[in-house]
Amino acid sequence: DAGITQSPRYKITETGRQVTLMCHQTWSHSYMFWYRQDLGHGLRLIYYSAAADITDKGEVPDGYVVSRSKTENFPLTLESATRSQTSVYFCASSPVEGRNQPQHFGDGTRLSIL
Amino acid sequence: QKEVEQNSGPLSVPEGAIASLNCTYSDRGSQSFFWYRQYSGKSPELIMFIYSNGDKEDGRFTAQLNKASQYVSLLIRDSQPSDSATYLCAVFYGNNRLAFGKGNQVVVIP
Repeated sequence: DAGITQSPRYKITETGRQVTLMCHQTWSHSYMFWYRQDLGHGLRLIYYSAAADITDKGEVPDGYVVSRSKTENFPLTLESATRSQTSVYFCASSPVEGRNQPQHFGDGTRLSIL
Repeated sequence: QKEVEQNSGPLSVPEGAIASLNCTYSDRGSQSFFWYRQYSGKSPELIMFIYSNGDKEDGRFTAQLNKASQYVSLLIRDSQPSDSATYLCAVFYGNNRLAFGKGNQVVVIP
């Protein structure tokens, strides 16, 4: 049961570079989410997707782009990385619409932008 | 903006004692609530969820919901060193989205 996997686990890059974080889930969950977690802010939603080809902004979408051409993949791209985007990024998924549907998290990507 | 507050600082409890964590939320229409545990350097993992007023028990964990007062709490009975972690409260707000509190750190002292 592979579940939800994120890659890479660690990434160091420079300001201005484009970076793509990958998220892959094997559960065929409809919903997928991207969060960033920073000290003092907790988990903040960047983007989410209710199904393939349906994405929407979360709380902090600026500077990020997502796509979802297949149900199982939900990559997050930083088009021109900035130091303020140094963070731990978590991908999550949940199966179907419903108030009792929990989110299941990947192991995270620790991103450092120099 | 959905506000979820977990205001208390790190909680230190002796092994075997009860740890009590509180969470308040701003949206009176919120319908369901989740507690996650996050070990240092790891991802959040679901402990339990609750959507009816009252108590819900799962093993050593009890979630308590009071919608009139807009708070949800988590009790950890017979605390163990393995319970040392940060506990995140989350509130459902549609399209399966969750608004998370900043978390409460629990340290269980052997």
